[in-house]
Amino acid sequence: KQEVTQIPAALSVPEGENLVLNCSFTDSAIYNLQWFRQDPGKGLTSLLLIQSSQREQTSGRLNASLDKSSGRSTLYIAASQPGDSATYLCAVIYSGGGADGLTFGKGTHLIIQP
Amino acid sequence: EPEVTQTPSHQVTQMGQEVILRCVPISNHLYFYWYRQILGQKVEFLVSFYNNEISEKSEIFDDQFSVERPDGSNFTLKIRSTKLEDSAMYFCASSESGLRGYTFGSGTRLTVV
Repeated sequence: KQEVTQIPAALSVPEGENLVLNCSFTDSAIYNLQWFRQDPGKGLTSLLLIQSSQREQTSGRLNASLDKSSGRSTLYIAASQPGDSATYLCAVIYSGGGADGLTFGKGTHLIIQP
Repeated sequence: EPEVTQTPSHQVTQMGQEVILRCVPISNHLYFYWYRQILGQKVEFLVSFYNNEISEKSEIFDDQFSVERPDGSNFTLKIRSTKLEDSAMYFCASSESGLRGYTFGSGTRLTVV
């Protein structure tokens, strides 16, 4: 059974810091990996999608990297802002056909202190 | 930006009652999914649906659950006889394929009392 682990479980940093969130997965035969943001009591907002053939993806202040061979991905947030406070979820998919569901990590709960 | 729409946003039901959660996926997407998140726990896959039939389902998706696409736009999750442990946030998602990632709705918070 595939497992996705996210470290740390919680993180609190002052505004302006650069930070890294970690995700690891037990089966390296993933098809792609997707990072989501979840605000309290809300839905999941897609941040970045990395296909298995890619090494990284960037969107604004966010950069996600993927190392399939070691079973790891990182989400880098530059110049953090209080509005970045949320839970960040990593999820992997093992098939490109679409039938399989995403396997999620438990998330990193991020607090950016003003 | 196309959205996945879920209704209702909150539902409270008595144990043993049937509930139907509704979703309108993105119109050109081919795959539809239901996930749930019990408070404080991981988001868990329930079922995927393609070409008017279930493609995959998890062990959570037992005989109490069913899904349907009653028309060209709606996708529903039915829980026949709700239990206390069915209380969770239920998310609908859709995708063109696994290659292009997934778009999630904002969820229905189901509370069984």
